[in-house]
Amino acid sequence: GAGVSQTPSNKVTEKGKYVELRCDPISGHTALYWYRQSLGQGPEFLIYFQGTGAADDSGLPNDRFFAVRPEGSVSTLKIQRTERGDSAVYLCASSLASGRGETQYFGPGTRLLVL
Amino acid sequence: LAKTTQPISMDSYEGQEVNITCSHNNIATNDYITWYQQFPSQGPRFIIQGYKTKVTNEVASLFIPADRKSSTLSLPRVSLSDTAVYYCLVAEGLTGGGNKLTFGTGTQLKVEL
Repeated sequence: GAGVSQTPSNKVTEKGKYVELRCDPISGHTALYWYRQSLGQGPEFLIYFQGTGAADDSGLPNDRFFAVRPEGSVSTLKIQRTERGDSAVYLCASSLASGRGETQYFGPGTRLLVL
Repeated sequence: LAKTTQPISMDSYEGQEVNITCSHNNIATNDYITWYQQFPSQGPRFIIQGYKTKVTNEVASLFIPADRKSSTLSLPRVSLSDTAVYYCLVAEGLTGGGNKLTFGTGTQLKVEL
């Protein structure tokens, strides 16, 4: 079946611009996560959704970052007033449920470059 | 937070068995141990997960001693295509449910002919 998909695969923007990154989780998965991966590092947790609500957003670096999941499926990560330091790969993952030990399945990521 | 420590890199040859050991000294009672594989320009791919003793699937085995302070990922008969970064993780439960995966820098495995 289809895995997690993310669009766009690459995004180049200028400093100060607004960007939206989209994630389509695996059908039926109720839990959705966003991670950010800088070059040479492992992914870092940003935010977790259970259904439509952001259950934990403790990983968002500042208030320029915001994410939504209005219908409990597709999620959009929004970054305002982008900075060069926001350049990274943004990864989305989903899991069937939210219990301990639930496997997270990752998408291919969106590579964001802020010039 | 259960931090993990694993070797930065390992080299092997095709057909060899590779064992990557990870330490997680302050793992919590309810935490699971999970391993992911990541190729360049791709998202992490789930390999295997366990809580205690031994888990085996079609691609790997995971050995966890009784104290659960370490774990060993075993890849039988590696091939060139197994060259990748391997992450050992302990999933941390979040307040609102869900599991936060904390990745370290991983182990870069290089398989040669």
